[in-house]
Amino acid sequence: DVKVTQSSRYLVKRTGEKVFLECVQDMDHENMFWYRQDPGLGLRLIYFSYDVKMKEKGDIPEGYSVSREKKERFSLILESASTNQTSMYLCASSLTSGSPHEQFFGPGTRLTVL
Amino acid sequence: AQRVTQPEKLLSVFKGAPVELKCNYSYSGSPELFWYVQYSRQRLQLLLRHISRESIKGFTADLNKGETSFHLKKPFAQEEDSAMYYCALHTQGGSEKLVFGKGTKLTVNP
Repeated sequence: DVKVTQSSRYLVKRTGEKVFLECVQDMDHENMFWYRQDPGLGLRLIYFSYDVKMKEKGDIPEGYSVSREKKERFSLILESASTNQTSMYLCASSLTSGSPHEQFFGPGTRLTVL
Repeated sequence: AQRVTQPEKLLSVFKGAPVELKCNYSYSGSPELFWYVQYSRQRLQLLLRHISRESIKGFTADLNKGETSFHLKKPFAQEEDSAMYYCALHTQGGSEKLVFGKGTKLTVNP
């Protein structure tokens, strides 16, 4: 069973703080993704990574950065948190081969920026 | 650009009634379509994919390339089907990205 875990279920931060969201997967997946999930807007891709130290911007990368130093871990960084980054953040991972293109999701981190 | 449209944000049916969640996509190549589901307080998970041609929890979805649609259907809805449903598209070209629709919240009333 694929396990994708996220470091926190709930997080409250203040405007201007630097925020780290961590995601770990235990199935040796090459690809990892960060999404934000907002009512009425669905899932929007922030960044994804297809290999260690490799990353690509998604649809809404502004205000975010990522880090992938190890294959199993993908971090999302909010350099200076703002109230409009209050959201549910979902991490996902997938294989490049095998079960084609299915993404496995973590439980989500609900971030509130005050 | 690739796009997935789910025209209904909310859908409400009674238990035992048929349900259809609509999904249309725009992509000129050969698509791979998925339905993902998120039950209350659970993680998002794959429900079914078009290449498998299987029925999961009584749900089926047929890819109609002529109408560029991949509607999700179930003949008799159950209360436990209440959830958020997302349609997703994978396109050819090497990237593992999926394009998600905005989702439809299904409520099955007793």
